[in-house]
Amino acid sequence: YELTQTPSVSVSPGQTATIPCSGDKLGDRYVSWYQHKPGQSPLLVIYQDYKRPSGTPQRFSGSNSANTATLTISGTQAVDEAHYYCQAWDSSTAIFGGGTKLTVL
Amino acid sequence: QVQLVESGGGVVQPGRSLRLSCVASAFTFSDYGIHWVRQAPGKGLEWVAMIKYDGSQKYHEDSVKGRFTISRGDSKNTVFLQMNGLRAEDTAVYYCAREDIAVLPGGDYYYYMDVWGKGTTVTVSS
Repeated sequence: YELTQTPSVSVSPGQTATIPCSGDKLGDRYVSWYQHKPGQSPLLVIYQDYKRPSGTPQRFSGSNSANTATLTISGTQAVDEAHYYCQAWDSSTAIFGGGTKLTVL
Repeated sequence: QVQLVESGGGVVQPGRSLRLSCVASAFTFSDYGIHWVRQAPGKGLEWVAMIKYDGSQKYHEDSVKGRFTISRGDSKNTVFLQMNGLRAEDTAVYYCAREDIAVLPGGDYYYYMDVWGKGTTVTVSS
């Protein structure tokens, strides 16, 4: 099973960033999203398609339908610049997308 | 503070072995599964292996099956990744991550990785 992500997305501060993740019938699976900044540990920002762990800012939201899951960041801030990875399960194997580099210009 | 700390990385020649450790603190270790995830230089995240909370089930990514083995030692809040027959393509930062569970409608479970360590670097080179 494969997950496909756009390699890069650019957004201006204060605007909305949309990061897609596609896979065959992905909407039939649950998706998690991880934020990863250079030199830091990956950070869970969304799980079970749309749920936010405590500590994830409300500007982060997620959705999943048909063949595409989407991470949306409203009012994007400079601190949100990072790589973002979607992740789903294929049986007991975790599958990660290739990652999207979010640049906040 | 809930924390995972990896160690055991280093520089090793192809074909040799390394054992990585992941030490947990500030949570009931025996209640959680643990994953290993790696990131090769310039690449994305790649899942490597996982072990269930009680050690009853273990899963390994296809490219490491037969070479890597995940295990846990509950007496020391530690999960190990024994890596044998190392190859250049195993060069990466290796992270361990805690597996948390959400109960779904209908009683099924959804798993996600909610706490990650800072990683340990493995370099395989002659």
